[in-house]
Amino acid sequence: AQKITQTQPGMFVQEKEAVTLDCTYDTSDQSYGLFWYKQPSSGEMIFLIYQGSYDEQNATEGRYSLNFQKARKSANLVISASQLGDSAMYFCAMRKRNAGGTSYGKLTFGQGTILTVHP
Amino acid sequence: GAGVSQSPSNKVTEKGKDVELRCDPISGHTALYWYRQSLGQGLEFLIYFQGNSAPDKSGLPSDRFSAERTGGSVSTLTIQRTQQEDSAVYLCASSPDLLREPYEQYFGPGTRLTVT
Repeated sequence: AQKITQTQPGMFVQEKEAVTLDCTYDTSDQSYGLFWYKQPSSGEMIFLIYQGSYDEQNATEGRYSLNFQKARKSANLVISASQLGDSAMYFCAMRKRNAGGTSYGKLTFGQGTILTVHP
Repeated sequence: GAGVSQSPSNKVTEKGKDVELRCDPISGHTALYWYRQSLGQGLEFLIYFQGNSAPDKSGLPSDRFSAERTGGSVSTLTIQRTQQEDSAVYLCASSPDLLREPYEQYFGPGTRLTVT
């Protein structure tokens, strides 16, 4: 079974500063993928960034980077230069992958962290 | 292009009634998922369709819940004899070819179900 833990129910950050959202996971799978999604107040889930368990480099996508520490089973999201539009709920999720690199489909989500960016 | 669409956007129903929620995935996406998000909670997996394979129903909370996907496209989630604990936002997602990472899931806007 897979489990995602996000220990920060809420986080505050000043505009233009960086913020780290924590995510730890538990799985017995050797191959898996880790995802971060953003959910604004409108409700739609927006994919931000992905990290494969065998990827040696930390993933980056614009202002988003994923601090992946496999031995510690953590996959923290770092948002640099925060903007007011970053205020939202953020979910960490994971999915099993088989040896061929294809996906088993369902995502297991954490409880989420509400990020508030102050001007 | 068009994203995942869901209808209705809001549904209020009386306890004991049946409801149907519809999902139109992105054209060409082979996989379709249903999740449920209760107030203040994370997302809970319900069911997953992949091509012509048998669906993964492991997340359905009870036999009152069922889903089908017709023609490999549109999906309908049916909840029979609704209960108040069924009140939640039901999210549908689709994803493309599974052979290319990260095969992220694209989510629809959700259907907010309220059972009174």
